[in-house]
Amino acid sequence: EAQVTQNPRYLITVTGKKLTVTCSQNMNHEYMSWYRQDPGLGLRQIYYSMNVEVTDKGDVPEGYKVSRKEKRNFPLILESPSPNQTSLYFCASRGGLSSNSPLHFGNGTRLTVT
Amino acid sequence: GDSVTQMEGPVTLSEEAFLTINCTYTATGYPSLFWYVQYPGEGLQLLLKATKADDKGSNKGFEATYRKETTSFHLEKGSVQVSDSAVYFCALRGGSSGGYQKVTFGIGTKLQVIP
Repeated sequence: EAQVTQNPRYLITVTGKKLTVTCSQNMNHEYMSWYRQDPGLGLRQIYYSMNVEVTDKGDVPEGYKVSRKEKRNFPLILESPSPNQTSLYFCASRGGLSSNSPLHFGNGTRLTVT
Repeated sequence: GDSVTQMEGPVTLSEEAFLTINCTYTATGYPSLFWYVQYPGEGLQLLLKATKADDKGSNKGFEATYRKETTSFHLEKGSVQVSDSAVYFCALRGGSSGGYQKVTFGIGTKLQVIP
């Protein structure tokens, strides 16, 4: 089954404790992206990657890192989490270069930073 | 830059009522337009799309028409069901300011359908 898999689904941590949220897709998609979803703000893009070893900042990259060492994986790293990073995070991927190819989303990771 | 405007809601309707969720956009160039749906506890999934002016996207009884003259892509359904309760996101991709890689989302409209 074609899917984007994120782990964990829920994560509670404390300020400053490094964490990684994993994302993997099995569709051989070149493009992958991370979003955060907050009430009243919708989805905002954190980072994206056009292909292996190619990453770029989205609209809200501060406090986050990513890497793309393999095509299927795109982990999101919070080196020193802060409470304002409490949010619902989504990984997404997309194949094809045409503008009408849709994004495929994972089921989300709800992060709470205390 | 590109932007998408939609009401946050919630929109509460009785079963079998007619649904309209408004979406307007600001973008240069010729973006593609999308509606995504998010069911509780899940990620977003594509509901329908339209790639050029006057195109109509449709799926599962939902429809939306790409209106370039009014920069709108309103979502409609003739008769909603309880199972349609979800959050609906309007989105665009391919506007000139973002290029093909950037997808701009609206804030999402929560729909509640009561029996």
